[in-house]
Amino acid sequence: DQQVKQNSPSLSVQEGRISILNCDYTNSMFDYFLWYKKYPAEGPTFLISISSIKDKNEDGRFTVFLNKSAKHLSLHIVPSQPGDSAVYFCAARVSSDYKLSFGAGTTVTVRA
Amino acid sequence: DGGITQSPKYLFRKEGQNVTLSCEQNLNHDAMYWYRQDPGQGLRLIYYSQIVNDFQKGDIAEGYSVSREKKESFPLTVTSAQKNPTAFYLCASSFNNSPLHFGNGTRLTVT
Repeated sequence: DQQVKQNSPSLSVQEGRISILNCDYTNSMFDYFLWYKKYPAEGPTFLISISSIKDKNEDGRFTVFLNKSAKHLSLHIVPSQPGDSAVYFCAARVSSDYKLSFGAGTTVTVRA
Repeated sequence: DGGITQSPKYLFRKEGQNVTLSCEQNLNHDAMYWYRQDPGQGLRLIYYSQIVNDFQKGDIAEGYSVSREKKESFPLTVTSAQKNPTAFYLCASSFNNSPLHFGNGTRLTVT
């Protein structure tokens, strides 16, 4: 049973515009959330994270928002750039546990 | 230059053969992990190890085996008992509860 869900398999956005990626989770014990970015034939690289004690974390063009009551998080990329074209994975875990649960990923394509 | 090395990048095997995927890290991380990625699915945890000589099953351990004899190394054996072994395999490591650091993966094709 998938505990982390990314319901949009793909997203196409024009360069310079905002990309919004969504993620839902079912396990209320999750208290630490991460986003990873993956290029083809490479391993995922860590992008940004957020703890459940916060509702927003920002790092340059990337901002993650957490809505605990809705069990929902989102990643905003502003402005989107061609190099942002990749697969983005949402992940979550209980902070006391080593196991990380991943969503299925959203493929972002940034159009020139 | 620290990182995780997975070898080989591409691996081909005949059905019924066991195959071992290599994973080496020089990051001095205690924990190591094996994930599998299939099209349209997220990364699924096969096995993980928090310390040397100890490892735990993940969500899809059936048909796989691992060993952790050295801190730097966490090889994964895909046995003939694994019903759908063709996949992209990712090894990762972490220090305490830091974000996972991934290798570049091994694509295994079994025919």
